[in-house]
Amino acid sequence: GQQVKQSSPSLTVQEGGISILNCDYENDMFDYFAWYKKYPDNSPTLLISVRSNVDKREDGRLTVFLNKSGKHFSLHITASQPEDTAVYLCAAGGNQGGSAKLIFGEGTKLTVSS
Amino acid sequence: DMKVTQMPRYLIKRMGENVLLECGQDMSHETMYWYRQDPGLGLQLIYISYDVDSNSEGDIPKGYRVSRKKREHFSLILDSAKTNQTSVYFCASSFRTNQDTQYFGPGTRLLVL
Repeated sequence: GQQVKQSSPSLTVQEGGISILNCDYENDMFDYFAWYKKYPDNSPTLLISVRSNVDKREDGRLTVFLNKSGKHFSLHITASQPEDTAVYLCAAGGNQGGSAKLIFGEGTKLTVSS
Repeated sequence: DMKVTQMPRYLIKRMGENVLLECGQDMSHETMYWYRQDPGLGLQLIYISYDVDSNSEGDIPKGYRVSRKKREHFSLILDSAKTNQTSVYFCASSFRTNQDTQYFGPGTRLLVL
């Protein structure tokens, strides 16, 4: 089964609004959570990440919320802009034995309309 | 300038032919990855390499093998390509663990006819 799941394949938000992207995971040993952004015909790039010892991390217009008991994390983008239009991939991983493996979700295509 | 390169960027092969995808990084990263991306499936890990000659299967290794003889190079090999291996292949590298940023290459679009 899919260990990391993004239930919404697409999301449309008005310019200036808040974009909320959601991700669910199954493995409660995961302790690292990340969001990557991917433009069409481009490679994914890391946006923001958080370790399991915090519930929230802010970076400019981006905030990651982590709900460990619910095995859920989300990315909030405030003041959404047309250039935020992209595919957003969530990813999670555990660090048992120095694991280097990240599990990615299927991606959510965000469209910010002006 | 931190960079992951992939060659070729586009490739068309016939079913049964061998395929070699190359990846390079200039950051002296220990860990390198090969993923494939298909619509609705996100990035699926094919193989992971922890260093030279230290490779492990990912989630979908069947039909693929890898080679890492130098830290900066990681190759993905398809012996006798199949049509269901048509996909976009991404290489990535990270310093060491999964809590280090993964840097991705530009991707290789492979079409197997």
